[in-house]
Amino acid sequence: DTEVTQTPKHLVMGMTNKKSLKCEQHMGHRAMYWYKQKAKKPPELMFVYSYEKLSINESVPSRFSPECPNSSLLNLHLHALQPEDSALYLCASSFDRDSIEAFFGQGTRLTVV
Amino acid sequence: AQTVTQSQPEMSVQEAETVTLSCTYDTSESDYYLFWYKQPPSRQMILVIRQEAYKQQNATENRFSVNFQKAAKSFSLKISDSQLGDAAMYFCAYRSGGGADGLTFGKGTHLIIQP
Repeated sequence: DTEVTQTPKHLVMGMTNKKSLKCEQHMGHRAMYWYKQKAKKPPELMFVYSYEKLSINESVPSRFSPECPNSSLLNLHLHALQPEDSALYLCASSFDRDSIEAFFGQGTRLTVV
Repeated sequence: AQTVTQSQPEMSVQEAETVTLSCTYDTSESDYYLFWYKQPPSRQMILVIRQEAYKQQNATENRFSVNFQKAAKSFSLKISDSQLGDAAMYFCAYRSGGGADGLTFGKGTHLIIQP
């Protein structure tokens, strides 16, 4: 199994809603990543988890709250988002932080209305 | 900070022809990795090819090969015998060798394959 699975594939939420994005992998990877990709732009790193601990937070606003409850699962909790937060949110994983290759999920297309 | 530059927003090639996508990068590090990722409309980032900076030999994966010029900080991707399925956004990416701080991506090149 070389898959990173993200759910939901699409999400529309209001600015007062609370929602969560989910990312799952069963490859035994111990590093997991969240990227944000705006339309026609490259992905930008948001968070890095290594062995279930947050190791990098790229100055992301607190309305985005990551969580890594176990080595296979990564969540991104969303609260009080703005329309400009609409984007594709990509999850990736690698064997560990020093591993060369990262595997990406198909992303969640988020629209904030 | 590292930067990755892709100067071709869009490229078009006839099916079965060869196309080269350009990428330059800037870094002060000596240990790093370079990648080409493909992102089709399905949105998933797919690794096409990678190059370790310490390796002088250019990486090759079937129809895909790179021209890695370390001194010039250039990392171009050549796609031979282009196929319709090659149509996608192609991103050049950089990763520091000193620990995974994630990938730094260029702005991408949209590759169109003309049948």
